[in-house]
Parts: sequence; structure tokens; C-alpha cells
Amino acid sequence: EAQVTQNPRYLITVTGKKLTVTCSQNMNHEYMSWYRQDPGLGLRQIYYSMNVEVTDKGDVPEGYKVSRKEKRNFPLILESPSPNQTSLYFCASSLRGLGQGLSYEQYFGPGTRLTVT
Amino acid sequence: LAKTTQPISMDSYEGQEVNITCSHNNIATNDYITWYQQFPSQGPRFIIQGYKTKVTNEVASLFIPADRKSSTLSLPRVSLSDTAVYYCLVGASNRDDKIIFGKGTRLHILP
Repeated sequence: EAQVTQNPRYLITVTGKKLTVTCSQNMNHEYMSWYRQDPGLGLRQIYYSMNVEVTDKGDVPEGYKVSRKEKRNFPLILESPSPNQTSLYFCASSLRGLGQGLSYEQYFGPGTRLTVT
Repeated sequence: LAKTTQPISMDSYEGQEVNITCSHNNIATNDYITWYQQFPSQGPRFIIQGYKTKVTNEVASLFIPADRKSSTLSLPRVSLSDTAVYYCLVGASNRDDKIIFGKGTRLHILP
């Protein structure tokens, strides 16, 4: 089954404790992306990756890192989490990325609810 | 990336057809129009995508006028399970585009 998986689904942590949220897709998609969703603010893009070893900032990249060493995986790293990073995080992938074609259809993971105290 | 404007919320009743209009005055020549549906605490789900005129699939129809400055998502005979947030996105034809979901339209279906 074609899917995007994220782990963990729920995480409660403390300020400053480094954490990684994993994302994996089995559709051989080149483009992957991370979003955060907060009440009243909608979905905002954090980082995206056009292909292996190619990453770029989205709208709200501060406080986050990403890496793309393999095509299927795109982990999101919070080196020193803070309470304002408490949010619902979504990973997504698509066959084409920005500027690579005339259309794109993103497949989203189930989300990771992160609480930083 | 073209900015989009949608109604914040809409109510409708089961069995009715629902039309959600999205305005995108600055759409670029190569931009497609894409709609997503999102249920609470789930990731958005692709519904439909189009470039011009009309596109129909098993879930919805998308109407795009000739000037492409707006589009209308049409959901036929809605049910309670269609209660969700619907997002209209335009663009991604440029390498430097940012993908912006906006706040979407919160559709509430009443029995």
C-alpha cells in the first residue's frame, strides 16, 4: 500500500531535549516536505526536499533541521525544542516538486503531535 | 505562488450539492489548481486537480472559468462525512514557489 509513515505519532518532551521525527514513503517520490499545523494558522511549510541531498527552507524553518540521505526518508530534527514548537506535524511526499512539472499531488502522513513543556 | 482566497466556513445539509469557490487573481500561466480535504487530526488528502474548464472524478468536480482567476470545487450530494476543511492551492510551477495552504474553508454538513 502506498503510504507515508511518521514516527512517533505522539511525543511529549521537555525544552532543550533533542528529538527526531522520522518520515518514510514507499512511492519512490522525489519531493518530500514537512509542515506544522497550529490552530488559526493553517498548515505552514517548514522544509522541503527536491531530491536526495537537496533541501530548502519553507516558510517557518527556524528551530528545525532536516536531512535527505535516502530517497525514502526525510527526518525532521529539533536540536533544542522549545514550547513554541508544540504543534501537529505532517510529512508529505509527491512525485514532482516545485518547478519540476505543471502539477503536483502530495501524499500526507498521519501526523505527529508534539508537546514541548 | 498565487495567493488564494476562500470563505472561512460554510454550512450545508446532507444530500445537497456544495460549491466552494476559491479566488486566485494572480495565477500564473503554468499553475495548476489543487484541492485538498482535511479531517481533524489527519493529514490533508488530495481531492482533485485541474488546469482549465472542468475536471470530474469519483469524489468531486472542479470548474475553472476561462480567465482562471477563480475555481469552484463542487461536492455532489454531501453526507455528514464530508464535514472537513477544504484547501485550495495554486502554483508550484516555479522552483522558488512556496507551498501555502492557507486556512481553508471549514465545511459543516448538517443532518
